[in-house]
Amino acid sequence: AQKITQTQPGMFVQEKEAVTLDCTYDTSDPSYGLFWYKQPSSGEMIFLIYQGSYDQQNATEGRYSLNFQKARKSANLVISASQLGDSAMYFCAMSPSGGYQKVTFGTGTKLQVIP
Amino acid sequence: NAGVTQTPKFQVLKTGQSMTLQCAQDMNHNSMYWYRQDPGMGLRLIYYSASEGTTDKGEVPNGYNVSRLNKREFSLRLESAAPSQTSVYFCASSEDGSGYNEQFFGPGTRLTVL
Repeated sequence: AQKITQTQPGMFVQEKEAVTLDCTYDTSDPSYGLFWYKQPSSGEMIFLIYQGSYDQQNATEGRYSLNFQKARKSANLVISASQLGDSAMYFCAMSPSGGYQKVTFGTGTKLQVIP
Repeated sequence: NAGVTQTPKFQVLKTGQSMTLQCAQDMNHNSMYWYRQDPGMGLRLIYYSASEGTTDKGEVPNGYNVSRLNKREFSLRLESAAPSQTSVYFCASSEDGSGYNEQFFGPGTRLTVL
């Protein structure tokens, strides 16, 4: 069985500072995808970034980067230069080689950016 | 493009009532999904449709049925609502079901069963 663990229920960060949101995973599949989604208070789920298990380089999308450490089974999200609009819930998710029908989401981290 | 749309946005049901949640996407995606989100539990897959004409159970299918009406539309039906089905329901779509491309989510339906 696969599992996603997000150990930080809530975090605070000062505006313009960088913040790391932790995500560890457990799977026996050799091939998988890792995702991060943002859910603002309005409720919609917004895709942020994707990392494939065989990707050699860490994924980056603007101010978002994924710190992928395969041996440690971690896929931490790094947000640089935090903005007030970054305040939201953040979910880590994993899709194994079986695809989205076996996707697993973590329980989320609530990030609050302080002016 | 509207992306993924869901109706209704809010719904209150009494125990035993039935209803259908509607979902449509205009991105020509092959795969569509229904999730529920409960406090402290992240998202859980209810049903998915890998392609038009196919549907399969996800992690928590009991009490639900689905219909992939055509490539655009994927509906979720509660035949006899129970308080345990109080949740926020999200529809999503992706180009295919491989898990290696982005899922696009609808705005969600907040359902309360009394």
